[in-house]
Amino acid sequence: RKEVEQDPGPFNVPEGATVAFNCTYSNSASQSFFWYRQDCRKEPKLLMSVYSSGNEDGRFTAQLNRASQYISLLIRDSKLSDSATYLCVVRSGTYKYIFGTGTRLKVLA
Amino acid sequence: DVKVTQSSRYLVKRTGEKVFLECVQDMDHENMFWYRQDPGLGLRLIYFSYDVKMKEKGDIPEGYSVSREKKERFSLILESASTNQTSMYLCASRRAQNYGYTFGSGTRLTVV
Repeated sequence: RKEVEQDPGPFNVPEGATVAFNCTYSNSASQSFFWYRQDCRKEPKLLMSVYSSGNEDGRFTAQLNRASQYISLLIRDSKLSDSATYLCVVRSGTYKYIFGTGTRLKVLA
Repeated sequence: DVKVTQSSRYLVKRTGEKVFLECVQDMDHENMFWYRQDPGLGLRLIYFSYDVKMKEKGDIPEGYSVSREKKERFSLILESASTNQTSMYLCASRRAQNYGYTFGSGTRLTVV
């Protein structure tokens, strides 16, 4: 089993839709969690950290479920510019960050 | 705006050449990392450094070495490039534990 798993997609959604991605992790001792966004042929960019209590940044909401060992990202009112690959990242040790292989989102006009 | 700068966006090298990839950050971060990214495999950690002159192997260090003589600069060296090292190489830095990475724009290396 991979340490961090994501559905590769693509998730094709119309503009204005709400879409959610999950990411499961295998190490129950994992500590920090992040969502990154990566556009085609560009570097990943930090979208948001994921806190135990959940957090929200505009149209984006991230949640952590430690009991079931997954994190989620919810995007409301999708925009064309949200089309990208979303990577989840889990810290499993002092320096070790594990990246998922990403979920591809396409927002359609 | 904070920055991580990688010296080349695109590089083509011949098999057997020694290749240097340079990364410089201007954020006074202590931790720096080199990853490679391949389709279907995601980002894989090659080496990291948590302080000047310190280095640690990541998950796939074979065929690579690194150098960190100054805090702001972390170099990745391919001792003898091979075609299976054709990849996108990403440098990242991080302020400390629990912080996210800032990535450079990547170097797309092709070994022929």
